[in-house]
Amino acid sequence: SQQGEEDPQALSIQEGENATMNCSYKTSINNLQWYRQNSGRGLVHLILIRSNEREKHSGRLRVTLDTSKKSSSLLITASRAADTASYFCATGGPNTDKLIFGTGTRLQVFP
Amino acid sequence: DGGITQSPKYLFRKEGQNVTLSCEQNLNHDAMYWYRQDPGQGLRLIYYSQIVNDFQKGDIAEGYSVSREKKESFPLTVTSAQKNPTAFYLCASGRVNEQFFGPGTRLTVL
Repeated sequence: SQQGEEDPQALSIQEGENATMNCSYKTSINNLQWYRQNSGRGLVHLILIRSNEREKHSGRLRVTLDTSKKSSSLLITASRAADTASYFCATGGPNTDKLIFGTGTRLQVFP
Repeated sequence: DGGITQSPKYLFRKEGQNVTLSCEQNLNHDAMYWYRQDPGQGLRLIYYSQIVNDFQKGDIAEGYSVSREKKESFPLTVTSAQKNPTAFYLCASGRVNEQFFGPGTRLTVL
């Protein structure tokens, strides 16, 4: 399968804690994106990091990228119950106009 | 979900029937995509179109067909040849560095 792998598959934390999820991929990339999906809904784009970047921030989100290890991590700081959702990474590669999505991490934040 | 609509939200089909899922966007995007999502899994690309009157197969195109007669519309037909069509179907438009998704259609084969 070309799909990326994410871990953990599921994560449960208390409000206020940080949540970290990881994504590994298999091919060369131009960029890596993270999306959020609330249960039974469409995906929403969160953040994009380019292959020549190592870290990027957006509000409570911090993304890192290590192209030598073909991996990325998404950190959500000071989590809230409203952060409960599934989070997917997606890679955009050179010579392609398609995205390859990971398998997702289901995050549950308890109030 | 803003700018992309999918209908219906829920769809039930008997085995052996073809069914068409609607996807419309008003974001003026050239590219549109259809994905399939199975429980607990990521998205798999069925078909995509970068321009009107042109489309390409994705990773799991067998048993599906599409058309792109208008920029705003990219309907997906699930044919009777699709062996396991029960799934959540997501339409998206945009670019390779950001896609905008519709709310999805949940198809159940009875």
